[in-house]
Amino acid sequence: DARVTQTPRHKVTEMGQEVTMRCQPILGHNTVFWYRQTMMQGLELLAYFRNRAPLDDSGMPKDRFSAEMPDATLATLKIQPSEPRDSAVYFCASGLSPDGTGFSGNTIYFGEGSWLTVV
Amino acid sequence: AQSVSQHNHHVILSEAASLELGCNYSYGGTVNLFWYVQYPGQHLQLLLKYFSGDPLVKGIKGFEAEFIKSKFSFNLRKPSVQWSDTAEYFCAVAGTGNQFYFGTGTSLTVIP
Repeated sequence: DARVTQTPRHKVTEMGQEVTMRCQPILGHNTVFWYRQTMMQGLELLAYFRNRAPLDDSGMPKDRFSAEMPDATLATLKIQPSEPRDSAVYFCASGLSPDGTGFSGNTIYFGEGSWLTVV
Repeated sequence: AQSVSQHNHHVILSEAASLELGCNYSYGGTVNLFWYVQYPGQHLQLLLKYFSGDPLVKGIKGFEAEFIKSKFSFNLRKPSVQWSDTAEYFCAVAGTGNQFYFGTGTSLTVIP
C-alpha cells in the first residue's frame, strides 16, 4: 500500500536547535508539498516542488526555514534556529502532475505528519 | 489567484441529522475538486473528488458532493451523520497549474 512517509513522527526540541523533517513521497509522484497546521492558522502551504525543482516557497519564513529535494525519493524541511512559534504539525504530501499543467484528476496524498514542539 | 472558501467553520449536529458543508472556489478554468477529511490526531485523507463527468460524486462512508459550475460550488453532503464523522473537513481545488488550494476547513462535531 503506497504511502507518504514522514520522519520523525514526534519531535520535542529546545529553542535555537536545528530541526530537520524528512519526507519520502510515493514512488512515481513528481510533486511534493510541505504544509504546516496549527490551531490558530489552520493548514498553511510552506513550499512545493515539481520534479525536484522548487516552484513556490513564498509561504515559508526564509530566514529560518529551508526546503530541499536532494533526490526524487527525499524531501527535507529544515528549521534553524527553531522557535516556540514553530510548534505545529508539519505535513508532507505528494502527487502526480503528468505534464505540469495540473493534476488531471490525480489526488495528492498526505503523510501522517511530524508533530513538532519547540520549548 | 485561486482561492477556496468554506463558510462553515464549526458545525455541531446530532446523530442522524443531515449534513451539508459549503465550498466555493474562484477559478475560471478547468478545475479538479476534492474533499479531504482529517480525523482527530490523524492526517488528511481523501473523501471524494470530482474531475469530469457526472457532477454528483459519491465518496466513502456515504458522503457525496455536487459540483455546480455556475455557482463555483462543490458542497459536501451526507444524509445521516454518525458520531464517527466527527472530524475536520477540507475542500480543495486544483487547476491547470501545479498547486492545490485548500479551504480553511470546517470542524464537524456529531453529538451521540
